[in-house]
Amino acid sequence: AQSVSQHNHHVILSEAASLELGCNYSYGGTVNLFWYVQYPGQHLQLLLKYFSGDPLVKGIKGFEAEFIKSKFSFNLRKPSVQWSDTAEYFCAVNVGNFNKFYFGSGTKLNVKP
Amino acid sequence: DVKVTQSSRYLVKRTGEKVFLECVQDMDHENMFWYRQDPGLGLRLIYFSYDVKMKEKGDIPEGYSVSREKKERFSLILESASTNQTSMYLCATNRGSYEQYFGPGTRLTVT
Repeated sequence: AQSVSQHNHHVILSEAASLELGCNYSYGGTVNLFWYVQYPGQHLQLLLKYFSGDPLVKGIKGFEAEFIKSKFSFNLRKPSVQWSDTAEYFCAVNVGNFNKFYFGSGTKLNVKP
Repeated sequence: DVKVTQSSRYLVKRTGEKVFLECVQDMDHENMFWYRQDPGLGLRLIYFSYDVKMKEKGDIPEGYSVSREKKERFSLILESASTNQTSMYLCATNRGSYEQYFGPGTRLTVT
């Protein structure tokens, strides 16, 4: 079975600190990769996605992620976090031509003002 | 903008009751999904549907069934609710293998 690992379950940062959240997946074939964010009390929304091309993708609100195929990784980064980035972040993988998505267990980010 | 709505934000049911959760989308997407979200476990797929009247089991289908009679509507049914089905239920929709769009969720408590 495919799996998606998010190793950081809970991250606490001060405002202006840099952020990197790890995501690794287990599938060796073609993948589409996603990061979703869930702000407190809100629904999950897309932060960014990778289908092909430039492995460094930029998303909303200053987030970016880098796809490293050799490491099966798709880590999320932001150079300087804000208090409003406090949320839960989910990595997701869509495998090949199938309509199934595999989600990581999520990382709760708490940004202290 | 894609709109995905779910019938209830909060629901409290008793053990043994039959529970219906409904999801409606307005973007003509062929795929619809039901997940449950539990702390520390992320999102786990219960069922998905790729067309009207078509369904596929996800990773945790036990105790659940689904119905898709119209393209825009996907229902999740708990035949006999149990306390271990207390959870947040999320509906999602998409086209092909593109990103999913999520509803606001239904927080179900079974007492």
